Amino acid sequence: DTGVSQDPRHKITKRGQNVTFRCDPISEHNRLYWYRQTLGQGPEFLTYFQNEAQLEKSRLLSDRFSAERPKGSFSTLEIQRTEQGDSAMYLCASSPYGGGAQGETQYFGPGTRLLVL
Amino acid sequence: DQQVKQNSPSLSVQEGRISILNCDYTNSMFDYFLWYKKYPAEGPTFLISISSIKDKNEDGRFTVFLNKSAKHLSLHIVPSQPGDSAVYFCAAIPAGGTSYGKLTFGQGTILTVHP
Repeated sequence: DTGVSQDPRHKITKRGQNVTFRCDPISEHNRLYWYRQTLGQGPEFLTYFQNEAQLEKSRLLSDRFSAERPKGSFSTLEIQRTEQGDSAMYLCASSPYGGGAQGETQYFGPGTRLLVL
Repeated sequence: DQQVKQNSPSLSVQEGRISILNCDYTNSMFDYFLWYKKYPAEGPTFLISISSIKDKNEDGRFTVFLNKSAKHLSLHIVPSQPGDSAVYFCAAIPAGGTSYGKLTFGQGTILTVHP
């Protein structure tokens, strides 16, 4: 399977705990994106990387959120001191970038569903 | 500020008929548009896209139409099949600047195709 993979698929945690999610993009893709989706809404952009550089962070991303892509391959998203409002589906996507409009198509992983009790 | 809007939360069609899903946008900087399909508990799956230099793009049963002056796009599925039942999202990407590559999604439309 050469698609985007995410781990874990589901996470239940207690309020105040830290959680970390991992995303492995399609191997030749140099852009990696994180989105969050809540019930009844479309995915909302959180942050993205081009190779190892984090190029933009949404205002949705509070100081409790941090993302890394240390070697330009996989990425991690950490949420510190989780709150019930963090409960959502966290989606990762990757794109090849470059080569015109086709490079902008983003391919999504299955998501990590987080429930904060 | 909802820059991409899908005003129909749901659509129900009969198998074999045409499904038309609509999307409106407000940001004139958007120049690349995509449609994704999403099943419950899965990530969105890319369906079809269109660049702002075109007004139509076809891929099998799926056709996307873009009306730039009206800031409106639509996805036509012909013929509709029960397996097409899912949530459909339209998304848009701006032409440049710091947000280049960032997708802005609509709220989604639930399509149900009845046998």
